[in-house]
This record gives sequence, C-alpha cells and structure tokens, in this order.
Amino acid sequence: KAGVTQTPRYLIKTRGQQVTLSCSPISGHRSVSWYQQTPGQGLQFLFEYFSETQRNKGNFPGRFSGRQFSNSRSEMNVSTLELGDSALYLCASSLVSGGAGEKLFFGSGTQLSVL
Amino acid sequence: EDQVTQSPEALRLQEGESSSLNCSYTVSGLRGLFWYRQDPGKGPEFLFTLYSAGEEKEKERLKATLTKKESFLHITAPKPEDSATYLCAVQAYSGGSNYKLTFGKGTLLTVNP
Repeated sequence: KAGVTQTPRYLIKTRGQQVTLSCSPISGHRSVSWYQQTPGQGLQFLFEYFSETQRNKGNFPGRFSGRQFSNSRSEMNVSTLELGDSALYLCASSLVSGGAGEKLFFGSGTQLSVL
Repeated sequence: EDQVTQSPEALRLQEGESSSLNCSYTVSGLRGLFWYRQDPGKGPEFLFTLYSAGEEKEKERLKATLTKKESFLHITAPKPEDSATYLCAVQAYSGGSNYKLTFGKGTLLTVNP
C-alpha cells in the first residue's frame, strides 16, 4: 500500500511569490491535514480537510489556504511568501476526521526555502 | 490553550543505557495522547496512542505510560537505530464536532554505539 506522497520534495522561492504544494493521501483515507514544522516552533497545525470540506483551521494568516479534491488529494497554497514561511510542510492522512485516537500517516514533507 | 511540553530537548545515551523521555500536558478533555518518531528528512511515524491514566503500551524497546498530567516514553537498552526525534501530541475537543491535535517540540535522542 503506497504511503502519503508529497510533491515537490524541495522548493526555493523568493519573497512575494506564491507556492502550491501537493499531497496524495493513502488510498481510502478521506482526511488530509497540513502541518508546518520549524526548529523553533515545532509542528504547528495549518488545516484539515475531510470530504472536500475544511473541518479545522489553525492560527495562520489568510495567505495560507488549501483545498481537497474529490479523489481526496489535497493542495496547499501560500501567497505573498515571507522569509518566515521557510519550513518543512507536512501532509498527513487518516481514515476519518477527528476519531478518538485516529493516528496520522505523514508524508516526507516539502522543504520550502524563501529567499 | 492546550500546551504540550517535552523534556529534555536532547538526550544522548550510550547503547544499552536505559532512560525516559517526558511529555507533560495541559488540556481540557483529553481524547488521546500520541507518540511519534521522526527520522531526519522524513515525516513522523506513529508509535502509540494512550487514552486514559494508567494505560501502558509497549513495542520492542519502547514503553509508553500515561498519567493525568504527563506521559513517559521509556527506552530500555537502546540501540543506535533508536536515534530519532520523538514527538508527543495530545488530541482534545475544540468545539462543535472538531478535535485538535497539539504537538510538543520533541526530544532529539542520540544513541552512541
């Protein structure tokens, strides 16, 4: 069974640009969550999508947005990039949304560097 | 606001030297506490879920325990391949039908041969 696939693996952008990251969940998983990971802040929750609907949202500015398609694949977009957006962006999938003890399966992430 | 604090930030052990990692939490309505392992360049990998105080779970050299305020990840006779960052996360009710997962910053474990 294929795991969670994130593309691209690495990205280098300049301030002010926008970027789109892609995530393909494990087959059959309907929930996709996005996290930002930095050395200083650790893993921080961005948002979660389930059946094409955003179910949860973290405390990030509106420049961060996402969507989920009917095949459960998800994209995350960051507009007007800032230096502080440099981070590892992780996507995680699970069978359902918010189930007690529902474990997450993470991809290897997209390493974004903003210059 | 939910808080998860892991200690120590980094731990260096000799092969075979047992120790424990700590995860203390402040949360309203704990639904589950998770331990994940993260290797460099990879996403976190699920290890355990604990639901209630007194619960314990084991996997190879790892044993996770839970109290009302903290969880411990005990590592018995570690090997170099146990070197990784260990992350703790708590799942709690956040309103409506939503649940929120909050991660700690992790403990970087290095096991020397």
